[in-house]
Amino acid sequence: DQQVKQNSPSLSVQEGRISILNCDYTNSMFDYFLWYKKYPAEGPTFLISISSIKDKNEDGRFTVFLNKSAKHLSLHIVPSQPGDSAVYFCAAGSGAGSYQLTFGKGTKLSVIP
Amino acid sequence: ETGVTQSPTHLIKTRGQQVTLRCSSQSGHNTVSWYQQALGQGPQFIFQYYREEENGRGNFPPRFSGLQFPNYSSELNVNALELDDSALYLCASRRQGPYEQYFGPGTRLTVT
Repeated sequence: DQQVKQNSPSLSVQEGRISILNCDYTNSMFDYFLWYKKYPAEGPTFLISISSIKDKNEDGRFTVFLNKSAKHLSLHIVPSQPGDSAVYFCAAGSGAGSYQLTFGKGTKLSVIP
Repeated sequence: ETGVTQSPTHLIKTRGQQVTLRCSSQSGHNTVSWYQQALGQGPQFIFQYYREEENGRGNFPPRFSGLQFPNYSSELNVNALELDDSALYLCASRRQGPYEQYFGPGTRLTVT
């Protein structure tokens, strides 16, 4: 039972354009959502998070949108840069679960120069 | 500020053996979690420690066990290793509550 789903295994975007990565979840108890970036042979790097009381959070080139009714969140990267090429993981947690994280399978983003 | 560190980087073990992986938390973090990441998958939660007590466990058998020490460092122990235990093992630390977790570089375990 996959509670966090990233349905696109890969995404290619031209440098300078917008990258949109999507994530769906099924557990309505989740109240905290995060995006991580992972390069090969490294641990995941935290990018941005959002609480369920918000619908948008912005940090520089990264914006996360949360649609609770649709149980959907997305990460927008504008403008995309070649250094953004990595695997992106969506993760979710809840206070009821002591904020242990459930991860999606990841989306590999390739930014083409 | 020192980040999360893990040792060893790589490890090769034989089926049936036991292994201990180590993690040092980031300064100021009192909660540590362990994850297993198989090839092509997202990290899967194993268990979490807060104040030296396990306060959350994923769907892993009892042969996966852990410890947290007073300085918030942690160990993951796996007994009776199986081939399917081959994976990247990630440690993450954070402050207690809805705060972002910071991951170490991982330990690559290969079971032959």
